[in-house]
Amino acid sequence: AAGVIQSPRHLIKEKRETATLKCYPIPRHDTVYWYQQGPGQDPQFLISFYEKMQSDKGSIPDRFSAQQFSDYHSELNMSSLELGDSALYFCASSPPQGSYEQYFGPGTRLTVT
Amino acid sequence: GNSVTQMEGPVTLSEEAFLTINCTYTATGYPSLFWYVQYPGEGLQLLLKATKADDKGSNKGFEATYRKETTSFHLEKGSVQVSDSAVYFCALQKTSYDKVIFGPGTSLSVIP
Repeated sequence: AAGVIQSPRHLIKEKRETATLKCYPIPRHDTVYWYQQGPGQDPQFLISFYEKMQSDKGSIPDRFSAQQFSDYHSELNMSSLELGDSALYFCASSPPQGSYEQYFGPGTRLTVT
Repeated sequence: GNSVTQMEGPVTLSEEAFLTINCTYTATGYPSLFWYVQYPGEGLQLLLKATKADDKGSNKGFEATYRKETTSFHLEKGSVQVSDSAVYFCALQKTSYDKVIFGPGTSLSVIP
């Protein structure tokens, strides 16, 4: 079965640089969620999109922005990177008609040096 | 606000031992409850879920029962294996399109 695809899987950036993370949801899933998991931490919700519109916003820094495109894939753009942005970034998708189940991708591990 | 609390780890068990990881939640209404598992170096996998009170979720020998009266969703397994070594996250979701709120995670190590 198709799963959520995230790219790249690993990314190394320097402070003050910009990073773009991509998420490809499971086909026919219309909702995408982004989570950030710091080292040894639980995942924290950043932002979500439903039918290409932002549906909810969590503790996402102003330096970050995201969008969902017409093909439902989503991108998380991160600017002015800081050391504290080093984390595992998960994307999850869920199908229409509210199944409660979010399917998580393998994550992108971002390291800021 | 909505939150999840679970027992602190790390938990170390011998193979074939009984496992319990306690989880309690705070939420208004009737959230859905989940256990996610994260194996070393991997992403999050849904282990089991329960969407209403008294529901029992089960998968791969793991079980958890949604207890509204005690606001709990404890994870149990009768006989753990080395391959169960992972971090386990208890989580809740208020509505079907809502974000997932995770507990702090409990690290489990099973030794032969």
